[in-house]
Amino acid sequence: SQQGEEDPQALSIQEGENATMNCSYKTSINNLQWYRQNSGRGLVHLILIRSNEREKHSGRLRVTLDTSKKSSSLLITASRAADTASYFCATEGSTLGRLYFGRGTQLTVWP
Amino acid sequence: DVKVTQSSRYLVKRTGEKVFLECVQDMDHENMFWYRQDPGLGLRLIYFSYDVKMKEKGDIPEGYSVSREKKERFSLILESASTNQTSMYLCASSLSLTRSYEQYFGPGTRLTVT
Repeated sequence: SQQGEEDPQALSIQEGENATMNCSYKTSINNLQWYRQNSGRGLVHLILIRSNEREKHSGRLRVTLDTSKKSSSLLITASRAADTASYFCATEGSTLGRLYFGRGTQLTVWP
Repeated sequence: DVKVTQSSRYLVKRTGEKVFLECVQDMDHENMFWYRQDPGLGLRLIYFSYDVKMKEKGDIPEGYSVSREKKERFSLILESASTNQTSMYLCASSLSLTRSYEQYFGPGTRLTVT
């Protein structure tokens, strides 16, 4: 399967703490993307990192990619209650445009 | 801002009914996608389309068909709904297949088949 796999499945932290989620995958990729889904809603794109990039930042988000280990991590710094959501990684392989989503990490940030 | 809309947020249908789920995007995107999302299984691709009247099967096309007569509209059809098709259905679009782009999602349709 080309589906990515997030770890942990669930994460619970206090406001102000950092949250780290990991994604592992099995095949070679063109890029890896992270999405957020608030309860019962559609997904929102957060960040895209290409296979030749190692790190990318966007606001409080930091994404790393290690293609040798076939893994990525998403770091959310100084978490807020509003960051409570499910986070999904998605990989794009040889078929441009087609994404393979993982099962997600449920992040809960307590005020 | 890209806007992807889906015809219904909630839908209840009976077993055997023909069900149409509509998706419209307003940003002239070439690609459109239909996923279903089930607890513990993540998002699974049903069908996608990269041009008008073009379609490609995803991972779980059985029991579904699609139609794309206009660029902005992508319909998912359940020919004869069954209870195992009770799920959240998500439509998405992206700019083109010429390079990697993010996908924009609609709010989802929660379908219950009784």
